[in-house]
Amino acid sequence: QKEVEQDPGPLSVPEGAIVSLNCTYSNSAFQYFMWYRQYSRKGPELLMYTYSSGNKEDGRFTAQVDKSSKYISLFIRDSQPSDSATYLCAMSTNTNAGKSTFGDGTTLTVKP
Amino acid sequence: DVKVTQSSRYLVKRTGEKVFLECVQDMDHENMFWYRQDPGLGLRLIYFSYDVKMKEKGDIPEGYSVSREKKERFSLILESASTNQTSMYLCASSPRIDSPLHFGNGTRLTVT
Repeated sequence: QKEVEQDPGPLSVPEGAIVSLNCTYSNSAFQYFMWYRQYSRKGPELLMYTYSSGNKEDGRFTAQVDKSSKYISLFIRDSQPSDSATYLCAMSTNTNAGKSTFGDGTTLTVKP
Repeated sequence: DVKVTQSSRYLVKRTGEKVFLECVQDMDHENMFWYRQDPGLGLRLIYFSYDVKMKEKGDIPEGYSVSREKKERFSLILESASTNQTSMYLCASSPRIDSPLHFGNGTRLTVT
């Protein structure tokens, strides 16, 4: 079983919808939680970076971490066609966020 | 803005060839990483480096080696390319050990 499981998708929603992207994990030592966005033929870019349980908001994006349930989510409000991409969750056990364990990604399409 | 540049977007090589993938970052980051990305397997860490001339194995180092002679440059070497090394290779850097990653746009390598 993988340490990080991500809802596989693909996900297709109409413009303006609220999107929920989810990952579960088995390693209780994970301390840092990240969401990356990857456009087609591009490298991943960091969207959100959180350390503790709770919510972190940045514009239309909200990252939620529930360590007790070993569950993280990324919510996108008022989704736009430009949000169409693959979203990767990532998490690390120690202070080296570069040695993260990644989910397989969820591909999102937002239709105008 | 951080720029991580990978020298080739697409490469086609023959089985048994020695292959060099080059990566350069322009922000004086201490840490550099090589990942490969495969459908259904997510991103997997091959090698990383915290300093010049320093390297550490990631999760899947077999069949690969790396070189970091200068701080800004991190090279991935496939000593004898095999078809199972056909993949998307992503280079990344980070300024501190607890920082998330800045990725390049990847090199899609095909080994025939």
